[in-house]
Amino acid sequence: AQSVSQHNHHVILSEAASLELGCNYSYGGTVNLFWYVQYPGQHLQLLLKYFSGDPLVKGIKGFEAEFIKSKFSFNLRKPSVQWSDTAEYFCAVMGPLGGSYIPTFGRGTSLIVHP
Amino acid sequence: DTAVSQTPKYLVTQMGNDKSIKCEQNLGHDTMYWYKQDSKKFLKIMFSYNNKELIINETVPNRFSPKSPDKAHLNLHINSLELGDSAVYFCASSLADRSGGYTFGSGTRLTVV
Repeated sequence: AQSVSQHNHHVILSEAASLELGCNYSYGGTVNLFWYVQYPGQHLQLLLKYFSGDPLVKGIKGFEAEFIKSKFSFNLRKPSVQWSDTAEYFCAVMGPLGGSYIPTFGRGTSLIVHP
Repeated sequence: DTAVSQTPKYLVTQMGNDKSIKCEQNLGHDTMYWYKQDSKKFLKIMFSYNNKELIINETVPNRFSPKSPDKAHLNLHINSLELGDSAVYFCASSLADRSGGYTFGSGTRLTVV
């Protein structure tokens, strides 16, 4: 079975601070990894995804994530956050593409950025 | 041109009632999903469905049932609603191989009173 653990449940930062949100997964095979963002009162939007290739993935709005296979991690980073980054962030893991796998989301990290 | 649309956006109903939430996607995706997000923002997959198979999360009560009239629609029907069913329900869709990730609808906030 696959599982996702997001270590930080609540993060509070000031604008221009650097961000790193932790995500660790548990899955015994090839994985596909995602980060989603949910702005207040809105639906989930895809920030970035990793399927294969370069383990450093760049997404929208200046976000990036690094897949470290040996650590089963896919941490999300942004060098300088903005007030508009205030949102819930969800890491998700899924088994190999094309298979009948149910995607699993982490419990989310609530990010508050103070102006 | 909403990619994944859900109706209604808000639904308030009494315990014991039966209700449905509709979902439609115009992305040409093969697979659709229903997620439940509780008050603590935890997202739980309920169903994954394409024209070949329905995958059910075994923890979902059988009062919940997905109905798909065609590839572009996956409706969620709930029988005998309970207080604990209050949550936000998100529909999502993806290609069969999930290569593009998932596209989510805007959610339906269900309140059972």
